[in-house]
Amino acid sequence: GENVEQHPSTLSVQEGDSAVIKCTYSDSASNYFPWYKQELGKRPQLIIDIRSNVGEKKDQRIAVTLNKTAKHFSLHITETQPEDSAVYFCAASIYNFNKFYFGSGTKLNVKP
Amino acid sequence: DTGVSQNPRHKITKRGQNVTFRCDPISEHNRLYWYRQTLGQGPEFLTYFQNEAQLEKSRLLSDRFSAERPKGSFSTLEIQRTEQGDSAMYLCASSFTPGAGEETQYFGPGTRLLVL
Repeated sequence: GENVEQHPSTLSVQEGDSAVIKCTYSDSASNYFPWYKQELGKRPQLIIDIRSNVGEKKDQRIAVTLNKTAKHFSLHITETQPEDSAVYFCAASIYNFNKFYFGSGTKLNVKP
Repeated sequence: DTGVSQNPRHKITKRGQNVTFRCDPISEHNRLYWYRQTLGQGPEFLTYFQNEAQLEKSRLLSDRFSAERPKGSFSTLEIQRTEQGDSAMYLCASSFTPGAGEETQYFGPGTRLLVL
């Protein structure tokens, strides 16, 4: 089955700096890659996603890039704010199997 | 709140007892998923339904676990003869898929289970 690895496990940045979280996946059939943000004690919330026919997608301060050849995708957060502090999960989905394989999460701490 | 809801939010039980959790998906969503999340890890897929049909079960789902979605709306997840290793957050998610392929899943707040 699919195996998703996520790095780093923790990331501490100064407010205003950029943060980058990287994920790799093993199954070349995966073609949908969502990113979720989970604050302490709350549900995972989708923040951005990308499909395999696209190399990059942006939404305000958040962007995701996908390299299908290398089988990795990354989340980029610019101008970080303290409210960005949370655990971020990447996931990969294999076409028509409809289940997400999640990475182990990155705890982002944005210091004011 | 028109999102995915789960009940109860917390459950403490003694080893060997049975527990049942409920998930109410977003009303127009035809797919419903169950995941398990342990501390410091990402959610792990357990099973999913399309309408009332259970289409896939993970190997993580032992025979002590059973899930139903009898009318294609809410779902229940039952754990029989609970073990301490069952302690985790149980997350439900739902999505709408008009056809085959990937789709966005919306998560509920989870049920945190502690088995003593």
